[in-house]
Amino acid sequence: GENVEQHPSTLSVQEGDSAVIKCTYSDSASNYFPWYKQELGKGPQLIIDIRSNVGEKKDQRIAVTLNKTAKHFSLHITETQPEDSAVYFCAASITGNTPLVFGKGTRLSVIA
Amino acid sequence: GAVVSQHPSRVICKSGTSVKIECRSLDFQATTMFWYRQFPKQSLMLMATSNEGSKATYEQGVEKDKFLINHASLTLSTLTVTSAHPEDSSFYICSAPPGTGRRTQYFGPGTRLTVL
Repeated sequence: GENVEQHPSTLSVQEGDSAVIKCTYSDSASNYFPWYKQELGKGPQLIIDIRSNVGEKKDQRIAVTLNKTAKHFSLHITETQPEDSAVYFCAASITGNTPLVFGKGTRLSVIA
Repeated sequence: GAVVSQHPSRVICKSGTSVKIECRSLDFQATTMFWYRQFPKQSLMLMATSNEGSKATYEQGVEKDKFLINHASLTLSTLTVTSAHPEDSSFYICSAPPGTGRRTQYFGPGTRLTVL
């Protein structure tokens, strides 16, 4: 089955700097790669997703890149703000309608 | 985006009792819903897939007689934790893919279960 590895497990950045979180997956059949932000005591919130027919996607300060050949994808957050502090999870699935396999999460701290 | 709700948000129960958690899709129909469990400071792990009109499918290691799932309608799935024990204490989260035209997945706010 699918296995998703996520690094780093914790990340501290100064406000205004960029943050990068990387994930790798094992199943070449996976085609859907979402990123979720989870705040304490809340459910995961979808922040951006990418499908295998696209190499990069951007939404304001957030971007995701996908290298399907190497089976890795990354989340980039620019101009970080304190409210970006949370746990971020990457995930992979065959389609958006199939179960997700999650990475172990990255705790991002943005220091003002 | 699509909205998924869960009820209750928190529940505390005594060991040996049963607890029901509801997951609702509020503005779309979901023939499939997924139930995940998240232990403290860990990732989300799929427990089971809830299918409207048919039996749920469970992941390896998840006891189907302990975690009863009923997908009663196209907008409601329930998870009942039977004879709960302290080790069942966890954060239970459902998700629902909206289906055709919107191939993504939205999560409910989660239910924090504490078994004393």
